This record gives sequence, C-alpha cells and structure tokens, in this order.
Amino acid sequence: DAGITQSPRHKVTETGTPVTLRCHQTENHRYMYWYRQDPGHGLRLIHYSYGVKDTDKGEVSDGYSVSRSKTEDFLLTLESATSSQTSVYFCAISERERGGLEQFFGPGTRLTVL
Amino acid sequence: SQQGEEDPQALSIQEGENATMNCSYKTSINNLQWYRQNSGRGLVHLILIRSNEREKHSGRLRVTLDTSKKSSSLLITASRAADTASYFCATDPNTDKLIFGTGTRLQVFP
Repeated sequence: DAGITQSPRHKVTETGTPVTLRCHQTENHRYMYWYRQDPGHGLRLIHYSYGVKDTDKGEVSDGYSVSRSKTEDFLLTLESATSSQTSVYFCAISERERGGLEQFFGPGTRLTVL
Repeated sequence: SQQGEEDPQALSIQEGENATMNCSYKTSINNLQWYRQNSGRGLVHLILIRSNEREKHSGRLRVTLDTSKKSSSLLITASRAADTASYFCATDPNTDKLIFGTGTRLQVFP
C-alpha cells in the first residue's frame, strides 16, 4: 500500500469553528489531492497541489483553503466550518509515471459539523 | 459538471455471475482508469487503459474502451462475495487531475 495517512480519522466540530485536516505521504509523489465524498455526488475535487507551494482549485473549493509547505504534507483548512461541509474527506497522491496518473488514496476522514 | 456517469448506479448479482458496469465521459482522454472502494475505505486502483487501447485484461477484470463513443465498460467475471464494493471510472484528460464518475454499487450475494 502507498504510504499515505490522514489525520484525524474522525472529527466532530461545531459550526463556525476552524478545522484542519492533514494528509501525509512517504512516497515523495508530486501531486496531492483533497476530495470530498457525499451520497449521490460521488467524489468531488476540492483542491490539489502539483508541487510545494503550488496549488489550484477543484470543482468545490468554496469555503476551503490548502497549504503545502513540504512535499510530504498537504493541509486542508475549513476556516469556519458549516453543516454543508459534513462529509468524508479523502486525500490522494499521484505521480505521472509511464503516461498515467494513477492515484493512491488515504483512508479518509469523517467530519461532522453540528 | 465534468463528472462522468456510470451505469447502472447499483447492481445485484449472485456469486459466479458476471458483472458489467459502464462509464460514459465527456472530454478527450489520455487514459481511463477503474477504481474500487470497499465500504468506509479509500479508493483502490484496479486497471488503466490507454486511449489507443480497445481492451485490457487483469485477472478476472476485462475493460473495454470506445473513444468514438466516449465510453468504457468493466466486466468482472465469476463474481465473488468479496467483489462487493463500489466501482468508479476516472478519466485522465492529460491535465494534473482525474475526473471521477459517480460510481456503481455492486452487491454480490453468496
């Protein structure tokens, strides 16, 4: 299995509080991604990174920010959590090898915003 | 939305039967990938088929790709109860990110 971990694995928080989720990899992959997964919506990209300090928005980036200060860590921050951000969050890593962009996923973080 | 669509949304079969799920997408692609997700877990890569390939096999998996119709199918032969999971297609339009479909939930009954 790819060396990718997420922390915390579960979190319950209240509306309006800041939340930071961490993704850590030991594979030295260039690309890192944050997705959210909700029933009926599949997997939706929030933000991604293509290198240290290089990030870009995905399709559902409103209310989220990210940072990548070193290759192995990619942080997702909810500045002021809302109930609509209750979801399961997955981090993924990738490297474009042999032309493919195969992604390896972390175990997920279940976030509940009350 | 850029998401691809998968069909059917849900599929229930008996052990030993074959399972076929389909994926349609909208953009031109470099390759198409299939992933599996067990309940409560992250996605796991199954197989990749390049845009110049029409069919690819891996164990009990067979993937076809028709770029003229912008569609792909995943066939799982001789299904087992352990194949119960959600299956997602993902297209690689040769950018820095994949576009995932909405998934097919497969239930295989013993």
